[in-house]
Amino acid sequence: SYELTQPPSVSVSPGQTARITCSGDALPKQYACWYQQKPGQAPVLVIYKDSERPSGIPERFSGSSSGTTVTLTISGVQAEDEADYYCQAADSSGSYEVFGTGTKVTVL
Amino acid sequence: QVQLQESGPGLVKPSQTLSLTCTVSGDSISSGSYYWSWIRQPAGKGLEWIGRISTSGSTNYNPSLKSRVTISVDTSMKQFSLKLSSVTAADTAVYYCARVADYYYFAMDVWGQGTTVTVSS
Repeated sequence: SYELTQPPSVSVSPGQTARITCSGDALPKQYACWYQQKPGQAPVLVIYKDSERPSGIPERFSGSSSGTTVTLTISGVQAEDEADYYCQAADSSGSYEVFGTGTKVTVL
Repeated sequence: QVQLQESGPGLVKPSQTLSLTCTVSGDSISSGSYYWSWIRQPAGKGLEWIGRISTSGSTNYNPSLKSRVTISVDTSMKQFSLKLSSVTAADTAVYYCARVADYYYFAMDVWGQGTTVTVSS
């Protein structure tokens, strides 16, 4: 079955830049999106179509894509950005969706 | 503002069928711009996509769950539902319903708060 691979954890100091990667064979064909999930809460969409931000999401969240990898970048990290982040994309045929393995972002 | 609310039993016996309903408020469930999805998350683990349904009733399922899952929609009641048969302890999780927006390229932009389902005798 199709898989999206993320690093388990990323640590960053306040004000620095966090980068989270998501790798999958179908990513050159399918758009990816990203969710932020804080403990005990439902996920929140922060990026769609690889690099677009929904309204209300701070500009410090950005996304990019290159080949089989998409990247979520958080610039000027704040303490409130500490959370789990998941990528999501469809398989190559668009038949079903898959979530990435998840990355825990820790703000030091 | 659209809101989603999951409801259903919090405890299901092994081998039985898990049934959950998601009620949509604040917006139409019938808009052609939307699909409606179910996702689950075991305690301390990652998100797992279960499947989605269009307002016309077209479905897509996770291949690993496809033989046990049925998602249906009742537009008159502004609800969509999940049935998962032959459950085991491995199906214990927080279950979320979510709205899928085609203008967000099939990202899920609105989520319910989640409901915990435990499979145990």
